[in-house]
Amino acid sequence: EVQLVESGGGFVKPGGSLRLSCAVSGFSFRNAWMGWVRQAPGKGLDWVGRIKSKADGGTIDYTAPVKGRVVISGDDSRNTLDLQMNSLKTEDTGVYYCIASRTPGAYDVWGQGTMVTVSS
Amino acid sequence: DIVMTQAPLSSPVTLGQPASISCRSSQSLGHSDADTYLSWLQQRPGQPPRLLIYMVSKRLSGVPDRFSGSGAGTEFTLKISRVEAEDVGVYYCMQITQLPHTLGQGTKLEIK
Repeated sequence: EVQLVESGGGFVKPGGSLRLSCAVSGFSFRNAWMGWVRQAPGKGLDWVGRIKSKADGGTIDYTAPVKGRVVISGDDSRNTLDLQMNSLKTEDTGVYYCIASRTPGAYDVWGQGTMVTVSS
Repeated sequence: DIVMTQAPLSSPVTLGQPASISCRSSQSLGHSDADTYLSWLQQRPGQPPRLLIYMVSKRLSGVPDRFSGSGAGTEFTLKISRVEAEDVGVYYCMQITQLPHTLGQGTKLEIK
């Protein structure tokens, strides 16, 4: 079964760090472009960033509000995508979805999401 | 950044009737490779988003054929030919032609 399962969410104080993971199953992680989208409580969806497959250069890009504070990385041996988040702000609060593009031009697989709460 | 603007933001529809959602981009979504990377997502209440349509009009496997996408350049439309109860939720357009990828504000589809 094609599946993305996120973990690592939780409660953290402003300025703190958190590492989210996304376990991939049912398809080849090394051939997919992977990324993260987040959703603040009661709000819409915001793209966070993505990493291309190694075959396509492995380029990583981020949205401006998180650039310099988050790092996306992939581990082919564990079939896992990680999102290291540092210097967290209250506005980073939300559900973080792991996404995958197996089909060129579309993020066709979405995880269930993991909740991150940044609050003092 | 490309701004994606959806209309309407809320759409009350009668069961069995058609529904249409518009998405306008601030720049053309035509890529240098000649494809247009505009997708439509559905988020049912309490659920994660799921992809319905990609590259303007390609329906993902398993998506009912009552969903269709059309458009070009900066104007795109998602149509549901006959709304069913399971279609209730929020619909988003998303462009991945240009970085950063961006999404519309969402259109809430509800039953009258």
